[in-house]
Amino acid sequence: RKEVEQDPGPFNVPEGATVAFNCTYSNSASQSFFWYRQDCRKEPKLLMSVYSSGNEDGRFTAQLNRASQYISLLIRDSKLSDSATYLCVASPYSSASKIIFGSGTRLSIRP
Amino acid sequence: DTGVSQNPRHKITKRGQNVTFRCDPISEHNRLYWYRQTLGQGPEFLTYFQNEAQLEKSRLLSDRFSAERPKGSFSTLEIQRTEQGDSAMYLCASSLTSREETQYFGPGTRLLVL
Repeated sequence: RKEVEQDPGPFNVPEGATVAFNCTYSNSASQSFFWYRQDCRKEPKLLMSVYSSGNEDGRFTAQLNRASQYISLLIRDSKLSDSATYLCVASPYSSASKIIFGSGTRLSIRP
Repeated sequence: DTGVSQNPRHKITKRGQNVTFRCDPISEHNRLYWYRQTLGQGPEFLTYFQNEAQLEKSRLLSDRFSAERPKGSFSTLEIQRTEQGDSAMYLCASSLTSREETQYFGPGTRLLVL
């Protein structure tokens, strides 16, 4: 079992739709959580951090459920430019070697 | 451009050759990370430095791999006697030590071993 698991997709949704991704992590020592976005053949770029209280950045909302050890990302009013792979990250403070990326969820927005 | 830079961007080599990649982190960042990414997977941690000290290494980092950060600024990753399985994107990231570290990635070096 992978330490950080994501549905690989692809998710193919129409422009304007709302789409949600989930991610589960197995290491209960994980303290920091992030969503990264990666365009094809490019480097990952930080999309947003994920806080226990949940956080929102424009059309993007991230939530953390520590009891169930899952993280979610919600994208509202999706745009063509949201097409990318979304990587979930779980990280403890104590060990950099335990920074674990999920395999990513591919999202494709169609006109 | 004040982001993380990596050179070369692409490298094609023959099996058995040695290759070296360079990473220049964001200037004030004291932590530097190396990752490997293959198609359809997320980045996998290889090693990281805090200043010039190499603090952790993944078991993925075989004895053919060595990384240095001699002055706590740029870093090099060398792969000796390359194998076809080494073909991947090698990503470098840097961060500033804080309670919540955000890692900023470079564009990567894409290695193809023939």
